Amino acid sequence: GAVVSQHPSWVICKSGTSVKIECRSLDFQATTMFWYRQFPKQSLMLMATSNEGSKATYEQGVEKDKFLINHASLTLSTLTVTSAHPEDSSFYICSARGVGPSEQYFGPGTRLTVT
Amino acid sequence: QQQVKQSPQSLIVQKGGISIINCAYENTAFDYFPWYQQFPGKGPALLIAIRPDVSEKKEGRFTISFNKSAKQFSLHIMDSQPGDSATYFCAASMYSGYSTLTFGKGTMLLVSP
Repeated sequence: GAVVSQHPSWVICKSGTSVKIECRSLDFQATTMFWYRQFPKQSLMLMATSNEGSKATYEQGVEKDKFLINHASLTLSTLTVTSAHPEDSSFYICSARGVGPSEQYFGPGTRLTVT
Repeated sequence: QQQVKQSPQSLIVQKGGISIINCAYENTAFDYFPWYQQFPGKGPALLIAIRPDVSEKKEGRFTISFNKSAKQFSLHIMDSQPGDSATYFCAASMYSGYSTLTFGKGTMLLVSP
C-alpha cells in the first residue's frame, strides 16, 4: 500500500506556543489530504480536508484560525496548532488520497502534549 | 444519515477463534466500506475494503461480509492471533464522490493466548 509519513511523531510544547506537524505522501501524489484528531479510546474525528493548492475545508466546530492547514504540494500538507493550550493535547493523524477515487492512507500520527 | 454504528465496543476472543465485528450504516449513498486496524500509538492501517457489487471479500484470514438490503457489513477474523489484538474501525463513504470517511466508534479486540 501507499506510504504516508508524519513528523514529528511526538512533540511537547509549552502553552501559548505554536506547533507545526508535517504530513507527506512518500510514493504517490496526494490530491487530497485529511487531518484527524483522536482522543484516547475514541474514534477519529475529522478536522479538515485539504486539496492541493486550495484552502482547507474545516469541519463544524474546528477553529480555522487555531488549526492552520497548508497543502502547498501534492506530497506535503502541514497542520499548525497556533497558541496551543493543554486542551489541544491529542493524537493528530493525517491521511492522504491519490488522484481520482481511491483508498485513503493514514500516517502514523503525532502525539501532541501541551504543558 | 451519516452515522455508522459499530458493535461490539470490545471483544475478547481465544487464540484460534473467530472474531466478528459488525457495522450498520444509514446513508444508502455509501458505496465503499473499508476496515482499519489501529495499534496503540499508531495510525490506522487499511485492512480490507468492499464495494456493494459483491457480498463477500476475503483476504487471508480477514473476510468482509456485506448485506446491502440490511445496510450492514461485518469483519470476520479467522484463526485469531494475539498479534491481531488492536482496535478495529469500520468506515463508509461514497467512493466515486471523493467524499470523506464516516467512521464507526471502534472495537477493541483482545485475543488471549
